[in-house]
Amino acid sequence: GAVVSQHPSWVICKSGTSVKIECRSLDFQATTMFWYRQFPKQSLMLMATSNEGSKATYEQGVEKDKFLINHASLTLSTLTVTSAHPEDSSFYICSAPQGTQETQYFGPGTRLLVL
Amino acid sequence: QQQVKQSPQSLIVQKGGISIINCAYENTAFDYFPWYQQFPGKGPALLIAIRPDVSEKKEGRFTISFNKSAKQFSLHIMDSQPGDSATYFCAAFSGSRLTFGEGTQLTVNP
Repeated sequence: GAVVSQHPSWVICKSGTSVKIECRSLDFQATTMFWYRQFPKQSLMLMATSNEGSKATYEQGVEKDKFLINHASLTLSTLTVTSAHPEDSSFYICSAPQGTQETQYFGPGTRLLVL
Repeated sequence: QQQVKQSPQSLIVQKGGISIINCAYENTAFDYFPWYQQFPGKGPALLIAIRPDVSEKKEGRFTISFNKSAKQFSLHIMDSQPGDSATYFCAAFSGSRLTFGEGTQLTVNP
């Protein structure tokens, strides 16, 4: 299957700081990427759809000014958590479709801990 | 309408046994149903998927059974192994988005 990477794999930051997470499709191009958040022992919740060359589409209840998404190229999308707070601590996972839109491949995830 | 209900929440099976996880949906616009396997601290990995015009799909020890009229689908893991111990998510796709079930934590005892 296709390979999607994320960086960093984990990050610890102080409350009020901003954190950037990168998602890369390594062996294919993706005009669309998806960002999910997963709390412990819970399911994946779609946060937003990242679109190359245009604005991201956010799910209802997700603060677009807090979770900034930039899809700079066909292989890179970034999620920036601005002014992070302890309640933003979670496992953030990106995915990218290859071939057809429904066949999504997930990155390894980024664990964020805000102190 | 967008929900996918998954059961059981947790499942314990003996090595060599059959693991069965069930999912149900309401939205008939869903047209692709994948299953994902997730190990702790890792991203989900695509396991097997099915379209609603097929009643069953088998890949190795993994089988999806699909009942379109009942709007239900299930994952069967034959000859379950301790290495299969993970969380399994069913999902349904419509438009450009995946909707996930709540997940099933599978433990296969040696």
